Amino acid sequence: EAGVAQSPRYKIIEKRQSVAFWCNPISGHATLYWYQQILGQGPKLLIQFQNNGVVDDSQLPKDRFSAERLKGVDSTLKIQPAKLEDSAVYLCASSAGTQGQNSPLHFGNGTRLTVT
Amino acid sequence: ILNVEQSPQSLHVQEGDSTNFTCSFPSSNFYALHWYRWETAKSPKALFVMTLNGDEKKKGRISATLNTKEGYSYLYIKGSQPEDSATYLCAFMKGSARQLTFGSGTQLTVLP
Repeated sequence: EAGVAQSPRYKIIEKRQSVAFWCNPISGHATLYWYQQILGQGPKLLIQFQNNGVVDDSQLPKDRFSAERLKGVDSTLKIQPAKLEDSAVYLCASSAGTQGQNSPLHFGNGTRLTVT
Repeated sequence: ILNVEQSPQSLHVQEGDSTNFTCSFPSSNFYALHWYRWETAKSPKALFVMTLNGDEKKKGRISATLNTKEGYSYLYIKGSQPEDSATYLCAFMKGSARQLTFGSGTQLTVLP
């Protein structure tokens, strides 16, 4: 099966600029996640979708971050305006299970964002 | 905020050595424990999903154990090979939240 696709792989922007990341999950996977991984730390969940509804966005900085999953398939994550502390790897993952089922997560290769 | 701790943070072993790492998590309201391997420039890959106290899982030279009552899991690698070099992440799922909280990982380097 095709894996989780993410783009771009790398992005360098200046602070206060905006940036968007795209994710195409594995076909048929109901649940989609966006994680932020800062160097030296574990991945932190930003937002979790089930189909096109938001399950959890409690750790998403909503003043600058937004995410959507139109038609329950692809998803985009946007940062506007970016800050230096947003420099991180942004990982998209999907899973076949719905909330509460123990399916493993399938990750994309991530987008490495550098904010200067 | 849930505390998921992994130790050691990093280690170097010689090819052929066996090694193990620890993942500690809250012992209350346990739902599941995941292990992932993340190689440089690649995506994290699932190794194990563990749900039952006393669970032991094995995949080739890699195995994992789970103790939900005391809140820890061990990952073992037997006869380490250079291709085992990666960051190993554990992730804890609490019963009520159903979201995964990751540890900061153990970075393993296997020297030829």
